[in-house]
Amino acid sequence: GENVEQHPSTLSVQEGDSAVIKCTYSDSASNYFPWYKQELGKGPQLIIDIRSNVGEKKDQRIAVTLNKTAKHFSLHITETQPEDSAVYFCAASIGEGGSNYKLTFGKGTLLTVNP
Amino acid sequence: DAGVIQSPRHEVTEMGQEVTLRCKPISGHNSLFWYRQTMMRGLELLIYFNNNVPIDDSGMPEDRFSAKMPNASFSTLKIQPSEPRDSAVYFCASSPTLNEQFFGPGTRLTVL
Repeated sequence: GENVEQHPSTLSVQEGDSAVIKCTYSDSASNYFPWYKQELGKGPQLIIDIRSNVGEKKDQRIAVTLNKTAKHFSLHITETQPEDSAVYFCAASIGEGGSNYKLTFGKGTLLTVNP
Repeated sequence: DAGVIQSPRHEVTEMGQEVTLRCKPISGHNSLFWYRQTMMRGLELLIYFNNNVPIDDSGMPEDRFSAKMPNASFSTLKIQPSEPRDSAVYFCASSPTLNEQFFGPGTRLTVL
């Protein structure tokens, strides 16, 4: 089955700096890559996703890049703010019958933004 | 929009007891998922329902775990009998599209 590795496990940055979290996946058939943010005591929330037919996607301060050849994808957060502090999870999914319901998650990255 | 609702938020029980976790998905979503989150294994999909029908239960760890979805607005995950290794946070998620999944706040289960 699919295996997703996520690095680093913890990341500490100063407010205003950029943060980058990287994930690799094992199954070249994976075609959907979402990123989730989990705040303390809450469930994961989708913040951005990318499909395999796209190399990069941006949404304000957040961007995701995908390298299908190398089988890795990254989350970039620019101009970090204290409210960005959370655990971030990457995931990969192999589309079956037009759906990508079966997500394989990375182990998560604890991001701390210091004021 | 109330989001996905889970109850209870916290459950402490003794080994051997039956535990029932409850979930109300977002209205109009036809897919429902149960996940388990632990430090060791991360987030794992336990079971997936589409239109109230279980489609994929390959993640259910063993026969002590069972899940039902009697209607579009309610699902349960039952563990009987519970064991200490079942201690985890259990999330319910729902989706309108089989892609983006909306997670509930989770139930933190502690089995003593």
